[in-house]
Amino acid sequence: DTEVTQTPKHLVMGMTNKKSLKCEQHMGHRAMYWYKQKAKKPPELMFVYSYEKLSINESVPSRFSPECPNSSLLNLHLHALQPEDSALYLCASSQSGAYNEQFFGPGTRLTVL
Amino acid sequence: GQQVMQIPQYQHVQEGEDFTTYCNSSTTLSNIQWYKQRPGGHPVFLIQLVKSGEVKKQKRLTFQFGEAKKNSSLHITATQTTDVGTYFCAGDTGFQKLVFGTGTRLLVSP
Repeated sequence: DTEVTQTPKHLVMGMTNKKSLKCEQHMGHRAMYWYKQKAKKPPELMFVYSYEKLSINESVPSRFSPECPNSSLLNLHLHALQPEDSALYLCASSQSGAYNEQFFGPGTRLTVL
Repeated sequence: GQQVMQIPQYQHVQEGEDFTTYCNSSTTLSNIQWYKQRPGGHPVFLIQLVKSGEVKKQKRLTFQFGEAKKNSSLHITATQTTDVGTYFCAGDTGFQKLVFGTGTRLLVSP
């Protein structure tokens, strides 16, 4: 199974809502990533988890809170988002680090009203 | 901070024409990866280059890594409509993360 799954596919939320994005992989990968992608722009790294520990936080605002409950799952908790946070949120995984190829999920299209 | 630029930003070709995108990093890279993202899709890994001056081929696609490990190129021979999408290079800086290039959007007309 070389698939990364993400739920939900689409999410619309108000600025006062709390929601979570979920990501799952069963490839035995030990590195997992959250990226944010705006239209016609490259993916922008947000967080890296390595062996279930947060290893990189790219100065992301605290309204985004990542969580890695186990080696297969990655969550992104959202609270008090702003309209400019509307984007495609991509999860990816790799065997152990950035030097390995990354497998991306289909993404969650987030709209903040 | 680290920057990875790609040129051109956009190219529109007729099917059968060749296409090349160039990737330039402001710093030396440990390795470089290439990804393709179809419209409405997600990035899909194409290849990784590690050695200085390395050249790899995948059917009609030829990838090169520069001697100084700061630039790379992707050349597609005889484009097909299935080649449509955005091509990203992504550099491994050695700091446990990839920095994606700005991307080149390819449109192929039949």
